[in-house]
Amino acid sequence: GESVGLHLPTLSVQEGDNSIINCAYSNSASDYFIWYKQESGKGPQFIIDIRSNMDKRQGQRVTVLLNKTVKHLSLQIAATQPGDSAVYFCAEKGGSYIPTFGRGTSLIVHP
Amino acid sequence: EAEVAQSPRYKITEKSQAVAFWCDPISGHATLYWYRQILGQGPELLVQFQDESVVDDSQLPKDRFSAERLKGVDSTLKIQPAELGDSAMYLCASSFKTNTEAFFGQGTRLTVV
Repeated sequence: GESVGLHLPTLSVQEGDNSIINCAYSNSASDYFIWYKQESGKGPQFIIDIRSNMDKRQGQRVTVLLNKTVKHLSLQIAATQPGDSAVYFCAEKGGSYIPTFGRGTSLIVHP
Repeated sequence: EAEVAQSPRYKITEKSQAVAFWCDPISGHATLYWYRQILGQGPELLVQFQDESVVDDSQLPKDRFSAERLKGVDSTLKIQPAELGDSAMYLCASSFKTNTEAFFGQGTRLTVV
């Protein structure tokens, strides 16, 4: 069935390190992917998106990589800061264009 | 910066009571979503509107939940009667079009006692 899942529930890094959060999807019809950051008690915040006609997109300190062959995408955060501590979700939009979320990865940044 | 507005932020209600949540999407956004998020899990779609029309409500428990967007702008989600298992964060999101990014509000944290 259609699903979006994350490999690791928790990722701990030291401040200043680079972080990589992974996400697998199963719907080959998915053509649009979004990464969200959710801090405790708040709604998800849009970080970056990528369409299936791209394999890489960069933002400020963040890069998303998409590998359609193995249905995998990743979010790379450069020079991770304590303020990056949050739960990160990837969301998929397929033919229905409804954002479908996976379980999320909790990023913990140690000072 | 334009935001999705939700109210109330927090709601405590007794089981069997009625409760309602309100959402005002970003101006110009035709698509509106209501999600429910249980602690520790990702958001799950309840209903999607395109303007004033329901596009998808297949996951909405229609025996107790209802949603409307009468004028195609703001929206209300209602639960009647509330059950203990309805305790969750209720999130509203909007997007300019169905194939563009969705922006979320801060959510309403519902506790049913």
